[in-house]
Amino acid sequence: AQSVSQHNHHVILSEAASLELGCNYSYGGTVNLFWYVQYPGQHLQLLLKYFSGDPLVKGIKGFEAEFIKSKFSFNLRKPSVQWSDTAEYFCAVKNSGYALNFGKGTSLLVTP
Amino acid sequence: SQTIHQWPATLVQPVGSPLSLECTVEGTSNPNLYWYRQAAGRGLQLLFYSVGIGQISSEVPQNLSASRPQDRQFILSSKKLLLSDSGFYLCARRPPTGELFFGEGSRLTVL
Repeated sequence: AQSVSQHNHHVILSEAASLELGCNYSYGGTVNLFWYVQYPGQHLQLLLKYFSGDPLVKGIKGFEAEFIKSKFSFNLRKPSVQWSDTAEYFCAVKNSGYALNFGKGTSLLVTP
Repeated sequence: SQTIHQWPATLVQPVGSPLSLECTVEGTSNPNLYWYRQAAGRGLQLLFYSVGIGQISSEVPQNLSASRPQDRQFILSSKKLLLSDSGFYLCARRPPTGELFFGEGSRLTVL
């Protein structure tokens, strides 16, 4: 079955630590890839997206993600997290259909 | 700017009662519109999408239904709510650029 997997459900980091959140998908063919963030009490916001071209994508707030086609992965990274990065992060994939399919999310807690 | 309004923001309903959640979009015409449900630990589940007035596609069979009576209006309904319908319902639009933009959601609690 086609799916989007986020392997880390809960992550706790100290401020200034580096972050990498995993995302793997099982769709074949051409895909569009997205990372969304949901800060506490706020609606979902787009962090970054990949459609084509350079597989290393820069997003807002210092986030980046790398598309590795051979591994069906689109991991999210940030070199140094801040307390304000505490949020839930969702990976999403769109293939040939109309809709985005989301992973189950990763809850990130950054401690001072 | 293009804005998505969802109403009501919070709703508490008894089992067996009807439901109507409304989503309206401003600043764009003929948008692709979506209803997702977000449950803790389960991510976002696509419920319905619509590419135009009167055109509804259902992704998950259940006791919910959707309608699009106007170009910028998308309604999620149920005739009889179940406990399992509790959740956070998100309306979204997708412009030609491909990403989704979400409304602020409607939180439904069924008791």
